[in-house]
Amino acid sequence: EAGVTQFPSHSVIEKGQTVTLRCDPISGHDNLYWYRRVMGKEIKFLLHFVKESKQDESGMPNNRFLAERTGGTYSTLKVQPAELEDSGVYFCASSQDRRRQGSYNEQFFGPGTRLTVL
Amino acid sequence: DAKTTQPPSMDCAEGRAANLPCNHSTISGNEYVYWYRQIHSQGPQYIIHGLKNNETNEMASLIITEDRKSSTLILPHATLRDTAVYYCIVRGYTGTASKLTFGTGTRLQVTL
Repeated sequence: EAGVTQFPSHSVIEKGQTVTLRCDPISGHDNLYWYRRVMGKEIKFLLHFVKESKQDESGMPNNRFLAERTGGTYSTLKVQPAELEDSGVYFCASSQDRRRQGSYNEQFFGPGTRLTVL
Repeated sequence: DAKTTQPPSMDCAEGRAANLPCNHSTISGNEYVYWYRQIHSQGPQYIIHGLKNNETNEMASLIITEDRKSSTLILPHATLRDTAVYYCIVRGYTGTASKLTFGTGTRLQVTL
């Protein structure tokens, strides 16, 4: 079974440019999460999709960040325009339907996208 | 979600047991203790979770005190590949439908 994949693995852009990160969750996982770690800080939650709907977007830092999950499969996270403080590693995670019984339904994380804004 | 406190770093000799403590004195009755780890340059990885009974799986054991105010993650035979940052997370059991709140974790260094 393929794990969570993220693209690109690294991205270097200049301040003011736009970057789009992509996450492909594990097939069949309805729940998709975005997290990020900025330099020297803890991993922070950004938002949570259930299928194509945003369940919780309380962690989105500002309106320069736009997440989508059209069709409930892969998700994109766009940063426009990028600022220096957006540099960090962006993680995507997915998990199964919460109603599945008998298991915790752990979150499976991708390897992350390292974003550098110059 | 309850706040957790972990030592910033620990060392362990390869082949020995690694015991990673976590304090969660404000944990409430319906909150679980979860452990994740992040190996360098990888995404976080689930290890184990528990409510009040001790738990064991193929990766580790979780010992939760009777008052549930603290817990210990035990890696019975640490290897170099267990070098990672370990996160203790406390939250209510909602299946999959909620975020994980990561703290600073414990950086475990396994040495020869």
